[in-house]
Amino acid sequence: DAGVTQSPTHLIKTRGQHVTLRCSPISGHKSVSWYQQVLGQGPQFIFQYYEKEERGRGNFPDRFSARQFPNYSSELNVNALLLGDSALYLCASSGGQPAGGYTFGSGTRLTVV
Amino acid sequence: GQQLNQSPQSMFIQEGEDVSMNCTSSSIFNTWLWYKQEPGEGPVLLIALYKAGELTSNGRLTAQFGITRKDSFLNISASIPSDVGIYFCAGFTGANSKLTFGKGITLSVRP
Repeated sequence: DAGVTQSPTHLIKTRGQHVTLRCSPISGHKSVSWYQQVLGQGPQFIFQYYEKEERGRGNFPDRFSARQFPNYSSELNVNALLLGDSALYLCASSGGQPAGGYTFGSGTRLTVV
Repeated sequence: GQQLNQSPQSMFIQEGEDVSMNCTSSSIFNTWLWYKQEPGEGPVLLIALYKAGELTSNGRLTAQFGITRKDSFLNISASIPSDVGIYFCAGFTGANSKLTFGKGITLSVRP
């Protein structure tokens, strides 16, 4: 079975631009979470979606938004990109509780120049 | 954002040695998790702990959920070169459905 897949793997954008990152969860998983991992740090929680509804939001500005589709795939959108948005963006899927069920994808490396 | 406390930032050990990593928090967590991340990959779950005082093993790895629910440790016994990577602890409370991660410890194993 395929794991969590994310696309693209790498991306370079210019300040002020918009970016859309995509995630397909493990088949049968209905929950998708997004994390931002800056170099040298642990992942920071951005959003969690379950059954297409937002269930949790981290301390990120409104420039960050996400949605989940009927097939449980998800998109993370970031508007008005800043240099500080450069990071590895990780998607994790879960079939439900307990928390140990989160499986991470390999991430999208976003570089803002 | 809040992060769990992991130190030191890097550890260097000889192949065959045991190593212990600690993780502390000012907040209580209901679940403690240990992940390993290798270059170009996302974190991979090593061990999950769900009950205060719980001691769980996964091969050469052993982890414990602290009684106060504010700390956890991970032991790796008889290290091998493929143990190289970044080890993260993470806590989960259920509120906001988020994992809170530490900064990670980079482990290097000398052959």
